Amino acid sequence: GIQVEQSPPDLILQEGANSTLRCNFSDSVNNLQWFHQNPWGQLINLFYIPSGTKQNGRLSATTVATERYSLLYISSSQTTDSGVYFCAVGYFGNEKLTFGTGTRLTIIP
Amino acid sequence: GAVVSQHPSRVICKSGTSVKIECRSLDFQATTMFWYRQFPKQSLMLMATSNEGSKATYEQGVEKDKFLINHASLTLSTLTVTSAHPEDSSFYICSARDQGIRTEQYFGPGTRLTVT
Repeated sequence: GIQVEQSPPDLILQEGANSTLRCNFSDSVNNLQWFHQNPWGQLINLFYIPSGTKQNGRLSATTVATERYSLLYISSSQTTDSGVYFCAVGYFGNEKLTFGTGTRLTIIP
Repeated sequence: GAVVSQHPSRVICKSGTSVKIECRSLDFQATTMFWYRQFPKQSLMLMATSNEGSKATYEQGVEKDKFLINHASLTLSTLTVTSAHPEDSSFYICSARDQGIRTEQYFGPGTRLTVT
């Protein structure tokens, strides 16, 4: 099956710092989503980005489908950015999402 | 838009009893809904795909007789954990996909099940 790996597994930063989270996947995809799981477990949709680049405030994402990776950028980190970030991918002809291993981000005041 | 609700948010039940979890798409119609399970500090694992009006498709290793899924309408899917045991304690999350071409999934807030 498809393999989805995220790096780094853990990241601790000072408030105000920038960060880059990476998602590598093993096959061509027609769905790639980035999520933030908050401390209560809710998955917040950040980006639907099977290809290209998108920006939303301090967050942006880029997916290079031909090279099978996606990057999530967080600028000027705030303590509320803490939590676990997941990428999840879906294949052509298959509606299922396979989740990556996650990156746990901790922002220190 | 694209809001998915789950009920209950948390439930405690005794070993041997059954528990039903509801997943609703509030502002869109979902021909397909998905059920995931998440253990502490782990990623989400897909349990089954639920299609409106047909039988659910279960992932390998998931007992279909233990985890009963019903998708009776375009806005409601239910997961029933039958004869629950302590090892079934987990965080259960549903998601729904809009009927349109876009493949994006929207997730519910999750249900924390504790079996005593």
